[in-house]
Amino acid sequence: DAKTTQPTSMDCAEGRAANLPCNHSTISGNEYVYWYRQIHSQGPQYIIHGLKNNETNEMASLIITEDRKSSTLILPHATLRDTAVYYCIVRTNFGNEKLTFGTGTRLTIIP
Amino acid sequence: DAGVIQSPRHEVTEMGQEVTLRCKPISGHDYLFWYRQTMMRGLELLIYFNNNVPIDDSGMPEDRFSAKMPNASFSTLKIQPSEPRDSAVYFCASRYRGETQYFGPGTRLLVL
Repeated sequence: DAKTTQPTSMDCAEGRAANLPCNHSTISGNEYVYWYRQIHSQGPQYIIHGLKNNETNEMASLIITEDRKSSTLILPHATLRDTAVYYCIVRTNFGNEKLTFGTGTRLTIIP
Repeated sequence: DAGVIQSPRHEVTEMGQEVTLRCKPISGHDYLFWYRQTMMRGLELLIYFNNNVPIDDSGMPEDRFSAKMPNASFSTLKIQPSEPRDSAVYFCASRYRGETQYFGPGTRLLVL
């Protein structure tokens, strides 16, 4: 699986949009971008994933650049409950069952 | 669905004792994963099963660790004998085919 690079930590004001970047410059054509988050003392929680088109669900939006070498997770109206470590993971959907978690970005929402 | 269920949620034991962690995956899921999380090493995959069969156990740290899945609704991770360095949070996750993984709440293990 392609490696990912994320900032170690970020702050965001409550009610504002939180934009979390991820670089995956070695991504290959059949690899998806997945985002998970881990709120303190809980198991990782799936947020969203995409291949090349932008995706949106009830939790977040995922913007993938045209060359697919980077992506941004957007939490449109951050709340205090969004404080967590966010992991960007790149993997194929078939033939490789592993999710390899890096160090992620520690997002702190400021009241 | 209740999600992935793990028990116990907390376990404190003494070095040398046997520890058994339990997991009930989401009904209908055909993949089950065991992870370990520590401050030093982050979240690591230990082993995963497909249709109750162990597929990849390359992440299991040593022979003291063993995992079984006797049926589609139950799996165990056993440590015998336990050591202080095994102290960690152990997560179980399940998945249906190539779809997303769903994690349980974890078992926090402390070996004294």
